[in-house]
Formats: sequence, C-alpha cells, structure tokens
Amino acid sequence: SQQGEEDPQALSIQEGENATMNCSYKTSINNLQWYRQNSGRGLVHLILIRSNEREKHSGRLRVTLDTSKKSSSLLITASRAADTASYFCATDWPAGGTSYGKLTFGQGTILTVHP
Amino acid sequence: DGGITQSPKYLFRKEGQNVTLSCEQNLNHDAMYWYRQDPGQGLRLIYYSQIVNDFQKGDIAEGYSVSREKKESFPLTVTSAQKNPTAFYLCASRYYGGGNTEAFFGQGTRLTVV
Repeated sequence: SQQGEEDPQALSIQEGENATMNCSYKTSINNLQWYRQNSGRGLVHLILIRSNEREKHSGRLRVTLDTSKKSSSLLITASRAADTASYFCATDWPAGGTSYGKLTFGQGTILTVHP
Repeated sequence: DGGITQSPKYLFRKEGQNVTLSCEQNLNHDAMYWYRQDPGQGLRLIYYSQIVNDFQKGDIAEGYSVSREKKESFPLTVTSAQKNPTAFYLCASRYYGGGNTEAFFGQGTRLTVV
C-alpha cells in the first residue's frame, strides 16, 4: 500500500495566489520529498526535508514536516501559470528494516493555476 | 550528458506476450526503481534495487520481473501473468550513501495492450 496520501486531490487557483498541498504518511521515515510532474513526463525533484527538520525553504517553495502527526505540507507562494502540474510527496523508509531504501509516493495533487 | 534513459517511449503488447522495458543511467547511482502510474493516479512501486545482483519487491510486483546485472541497467519485464499491464512506467535512480538523496526520473514508457 502507498505510504503517502495527498490532500486535496485537485486544486484550482488564480495566478498570484498561494497553493498549499498536504501529505500524510503511516510509518517512520528517513525523510520526505516533494516532486513535480508535468503531464505525460517524468518527475522532477523539488525539495527534501529530513525527519529531524521542521521547515525548509527553496525559492517560492516552503515545506513543513510534523513527525508527531506524520504529515507534511508544501506551500507554493505567488503561483504562476507555469506551476500547473501534479505534485507528489514521497517517503523514504528508514534504516534498520527490510524496506531500507524504499521510496514510495502518494496519489498526488493536481494543481491548476489560471492566468 | 548525465541522465537516466528509458526506451522505448511507446510500446504495444499483444495479449500473452512478455515485453521488456529498458532503463539505463550514467549517473553512477547505486539505487534504481520501477514505478507504475495509471491515469490520474499516483506512482506505485514495482521493484527496487540498491546494489548489483540484488533487488526487492515493491507493492505491486506480481506479473513483473527485473534483473540488475550491471550498475547502470535495470530492465523490467512485464510478463503475460500481468493481467492489466496498460500503464505509464517510470524508472528512477539515486545515489544511496545512507539515504537523504533525491531520485532522478526517466521520461517514461507508455505500454499499451492491443
């Protein structure tokens, strides 16, 4: 079964607005990663947050991680039409188990930014 | 240029046939992964490998097989036992020096059963 579940499944906003996507997971993780996918293409890595970090920034992206709630959020500020894509969270399983090195993805959030 | 290459981009399979999807990387990455993506869905892990000659089943390994004879190559065979193989298949790789590394993806192979 998939480790990460994203919410909402789809998000439609106007250019300039902020977009927030959430991810919940079930078991202990080594880190949590966010990826972007344009239609019919491969995924591109956006940002990685380690299990001992609470917040991370990269340009217009802000990611938070709450390991007590097993959840993460991705905030895209001042969105642009070019941000239209699907966004996925991925969980990296920790060392010490048979699933070490396993990288599992959620269902994704489809973001549409209208000009 | 360094990268990860999947071929072919489009593949058509007849009922009962086995087909092999190619995945090659020249990034000197240790770990490689195969995912399946159905329309409007997330990625589901089929198989993954952290070192040569070793691989583990993911969440949906039934009907698929892999090999990892070389560090740079991780081919996926979709066997006739896979009853619903039409999907978009994505290969990924990453350096694995203890974790906390990003994955790099190929551009995918779209498999259709005819």
